[in-house]
Amino acid sequence: GAVVSQHPSWVICKSGTSVKIECRSLDFQATTMFWYRQFPKQSLMLMATSNEGSKATYEQGVEKDKFLINHASLTLSTLTVTSAHPEDSSFYICSARDGLSPVDYNEQFFGPGTRLTVL
Amino acid sequence: AQSVAQPEDQVNVAEGNPLTVKCTYSVSGNPYLFWYVQYPNRGLQFLLKYITGDNLVKGSYGFEAEFNKSQTSFHLKKPSALVSDSALYFCAVRDWGGGATNKLIFGTGTLLAVQP
Repeated sequence: GAVVSQHPSWVICKSGTSVKIECRSLDFQATTMFWYRQFPKQSLMLMATSNEGSKATYEQGVEKDKFLINHASLTLSTLTVTSAHPEDSSFYICSARDGLSPVDYNEQFFGPGTRLTVL
Repeated sequence: AQSVAQPEDQVNVAEGNPLTVKCTYSVSGNPYLFWYVQYPNRGLQFLLKYITGDNLVKGSYGFEAEFNKSQTSFHLKKPSALVSDSALYFCAVRDWGGGATNKLIFGTGTLLAVQP
């Protein structure tokens, strides 16, 4: 089946530093990848949608300059949290859509998530 | 606007008993509905989906869901619960307002606790 990996699985950083999270589709080409944020005991909040080779589309209220997304290849998207602060601490989850799947069917496959803690 | 509602924050059921996790939806187009499960500190795992066809959809791990158009519901069910089914369950619907971006709108999640 389709597998999506994320790296790292958890990261602790100091306030003011930047953190990069990678999302990879291991056995399929992901034309579209999604980045979500999940707070404890809450639902997933879509942050942005990225299509390979183009700029990401951010949801309302999400700061583009703070959450930099790059989708440079069909198997890799990265989320960089710039100048991280404690309020950025969260669980970040990516998902990928199989490029061969019918567009309407929403075949999204989720990564295992990255736990970010900013001290 | 598209939305899904999961009215129960938590569902408790004894092992071996049937379980139901409720979901209702509101969409402006065709309802493409999904159920995902999340174990602690993990990403989401796909359980099943309804796109078209039979109203009873069978999915992974013995789960099934019944699409009910008149009640705009898509409840998740399993005939006999296992302790290992204890997890957070999310209902989701395709966001038709997003054009071709294939966004999913998630419910708030229901924590399923199966007691031995």
